[in-house]
Order: sequence, then C-alpha cells, then structure tokens
Amino acid sequence: SQQGEEDPQALSIQEGENATMNCSYKTSINNLQWYRQNSGRGLVHLILIRSNEREKHSGRLRVTLDTSKKSSSLLITASRAADTASYFCATDQKTSYDKVIFGPGTSLSVIP
Amino acid sequence: DTAVSQTPKYLVTQMGNDKSIKCEQNLGHDTMYWYKQDSKKFLKIMFSYNNKELIINETVPNRFSPKSPDKAHLNLHINSLELGDSAVYFCASSVTGSEQYFGPGTRLTVT
Repeated sequence: SQQGEEDPQALSIQEGENATMNCSYKTSINNLQWYRQNSGRGLVHLILIRSNEREKHSGRLRVTLDTSKKSSSLLITASRAADTASYFCATDQKTSYDKVIFGPGTSLSVIP
Repeated sequence: DTAVSQTPKYLVTQMGNDKSIKCEQNLGHDTMYWYKQDSKKFLKIMFSYNNKELIINETVPNRFSPKSPDKAHLNLHINSLELGDSAVYFCASSVTGSEQYFGPGTRLTVT
C-alpha cells in the first residue's frame, strides 16, 4: 500500500507567495525526504529529515515532521517561476532503509 | 561529470520485443534502484541492489530482469514487451539510508 500521500495534488500561486505542501504516511519511518521533478527530468533531492528531527531548513525551503501525526510539510517561501515542478515526499520503512516509497506528488505552478 | 546516467533516453518498440536499459553511476554509491513512473507521475520502486546483490524485488512481472555486473552498473532487461510497460523508467543510486540521485529517465513507448 502507498506509504506517502501529498496534499494538495495541484497548487497554483503567484510569484512571491509561499507554497505549502503536505505529506502523510502510514508506518513508522527512519527518515522522510522531499524531491522535486521538473517536467521531463529526473527527480532531484531537496531535503532529508530524520525521524528524531522536527524541523529543517535549506535556503527557501522549510520542512517539518510530526511523527505523532505521521505527517510532514514542505514550505517554499518567496516562490519563483523556476519553482514550478512536481514535488514528492518519500519515506522509508523502519524495517528497511532501502525501500523508499514515493507519494503521488504535488504539482506546483508558480505564475510570474 | 554526469552522476547517474541512463541509456537510451527514448525507446520506441513494438509489442513482443525484448529491450534493455542501461544505468551507470560514478558516485561510488553502494545501492542502486529502478523505478517506473506512469502517466500520472506515480513513481513505483521495482528493484534495488546493494553491492550487486538484489535486496528489493517488488511485485514486478518476471519479464523484467535486472542485472548488476558491478556496483556502478544496474541494467534492466525487459522481455516480451506489453503496451502497459509504456512509462518512464528511472535509475537511482544512494548510500544506504540517504538521499537518492536519479538519472534523467528512459521514456519507453510500446506500440
């Protein structure tokens, strides 16, 4: 069964606004990752947050993790047109670091 | 300089044919993966190899056979191709438990 699910499926915002995407998962994890995929390209790793961490920052990205609710959020501040892409959360299972399950993704459109 | 490379980038073939996709990584990672991304962008893991040993084999038809000649290479051979095999196939590599590095993808179209 699917481990991670993103919400919303699609998001359209104006340049300069913040974008928030959420991810929920079902089983206990070692870590949670966020990836970006530009159209026609492979996925690019953005940020990894471990199960004992609650928040992590990387540039304009802020990720939170709530293991009690089995959820995570990705916040992109001051969005740019270049942020237009699909964003995926990925979780591993406590019993297996190697099996990473990806959610269906959020498609973000940033309008200039 | 390319970290994870795949060939070919596009593959168009007829039903029933056999084809291979090659993947190479120059990152020194110990784990490599194959994923299938369908038309709705859903990404599903197919196989994972760690140091040339198969460690994950999801519910994939046995027409799909991965081969890892060494730690840096993981190839995917597909026999008797079907229409439903049309998708984008991604290779990835990682140090176990860390972020994955993806190749550019191979868009397979079966006609």
